[in-house]
Amino acid sequence: DVKVTQSSRYLVKRTGEKVFLECVQDMDHENMFWYRQDPGLGLRLIYFSYDVKMKEKGDIPEGYSVSREKKERFSLILESASTNQTSMYLCASSPGQGGSQPQHFGDGTRLSIL
Amino acid sequence: ILNVEQSPQSLHVQEGDSTNFTCSFPSSNFYALHWYRWETAKSPEALFVMTLNGDEKKKGRISATLNTKEGYSYLYIKGSQPEDSATYLCAFRRAGTASKLTFGTGTRLQVTL
Repeated sequence: DVKVTQSSRYLVKRTGEKVFLECVQDMDHENMFWYRQDPGLGLRLIYFSYDVKMKEKGDIPEGYSVSREKKERFSLILESASTNQTSMYLCASSPGQGGSQPQHFGDGTRLSIL
Repeated sequence: ILNVEQSPQSLHVQEGDSTNFTCSFPSSNFYALHWYRWETAKSPEALFVMTLNGDEKKKGRISATLNTKEGYSYLYIKGSQPEDSATYLCAFRRAGTASKLTFGTGTRLQVTL
């Protein structure tokens, strides 16, 4: 089974801090994604990566950056955390080949910015 | 931003009832339609990925249909059980968007005894 592991289930940080959310997958997937989930808004794509060192902006990239130095690891960075970034963050991965592959999700990180 | 809508927003049924939800998506530049189940405190789990107009897929008591020309998909659950309680998400992939999905806001299903 594909395993997508997010480094923390719960995280509390302060406004202005630099925050790192880590995601690791063990199935050699080319694609990795970061989403945030807010009540009534569904999953919204922040960034995704289709290869090492490659990244593309999703629908809501403002205030975030990403890093993919190794194929298995995709990091989401909040450069200067703000209270409106309090949310549930989900990481996902999928194979690069073919368009009919589902995404595999981690358990999520519930991030609170105080 | 693409518009993917799901209805109803929430649903409360009795054990044994059959139910269905709707996902509406743009009918142009279709590539794939995904369905996921998201149980509380767990990660979203893929149910189906549908790519062909008229496609029907089934997994146990859950099935889905797809109409790409009119831009909708139905998810059916036959004989609902309490363990079916979850949020059901659909996600649309547009042609030429390199695996990017646009998710609907989900249908929250609660099944009681």
